[in-house]
Amino acid sequence: QKEVEQDPGPLSVPEGAIVSLNCTYSNSAFQYFMWYRQYSRKGPELLMYTYSSGNKEDGRFTAQVDKSSKYISLFIRDSQPSDSATYLCAMTPSNTGKLIFGQGTTLQVKP
Amino acid sequence: EAGVTQFPSHSVIEKGQTVTLRCDPISGHDNLYWYRRVMGKEIKFLLHFVKESKQDESGMPNNRFLAERTGGTYSTLKVQPAELEDSGVYFCASSRFNPGPTHEQYFGPGTRLTVT
Repeated sequence: QKEVEQDPGPLSVPEGAIVSLNCTYSNSAFQYFMWYRQYSRKGPELLMYTYSSGNKEDGRFTAQVDKSSKYISLFIRDSQPSDSATYLCAMTPSNTGKLIFGQGTTLQVKP
Repeated sequence: EAGVTQFPSHSVIEKGQTVTLRCDPISGHDNLYWYRRVMGKEIKFLLHFVKESKQDESGMPNNRFLAERTGGTYSTLKVQPAELEDSGVYFCASSRFNPGPTHEQYFGPGTRLTVT
C-alpha cells in the first residue's frame, strides 16, 4: 500500500468552477503538507504549504489538512484555463526530510 | 534569485553506458535533494545532502547510482552502467536550512533520461 494516495484523474471542469483535489495518507508521523503544481515538461512548483492541521488560504487557493482523517485537500476557486496542470500533494514528517509524493492529479480547465 | 538548474535537460543513452546529471541549487541553500519519477509512478526520493554530506540516501536504488556534492555547491548524479529501468525524469530540489516549522523545497526542471 502506498503511503500517499491520490487519484490521477484526469479531472475536467469548466472555467469558473470550484475544483477540489484530495490526498489520503497512512503515516501519522507526517507533519508538513504541500501542494505542488507541475506544468508539462516543467519541474514541480510549490503552491501551498501547511504545517499540522488546519486551513490556509492564498488567493484563489485553499489548503486543508485533517490529521484525524489523514486527509488533505486543495480547493481552487474561480478556476482558469491557466490552472490546467498536474497537482501533486507531498508530505514529510520533519522539516528537512524527504518528501513523499502522491501520484498527481491532472486537471484541465476548459474555457 | 536564480532557481534550481539542471543539466542536461534530456539525455538518451544505450544500456550499459554511463550518464552524469548535474544540479545547481539556489544559492545559499544547504539542503539538496534528488528525486526520480518513472513513467506512470509518483515522484520518489533518492537522497538528501546537507552541504557536502549525505544526510539520507535511503532512496538510492542500487550501487549503480553515485551522487556527489563536492564543496557543498552543485551536485552530480552518475548512473553507471545504465539499465532500461533507469529511464525517467530526475529532479533536483533545494531548500534553505531553517530550524522553524517551514519546509519549502524548490524544484528544478528535471533531466529526462532515456535508456535504450
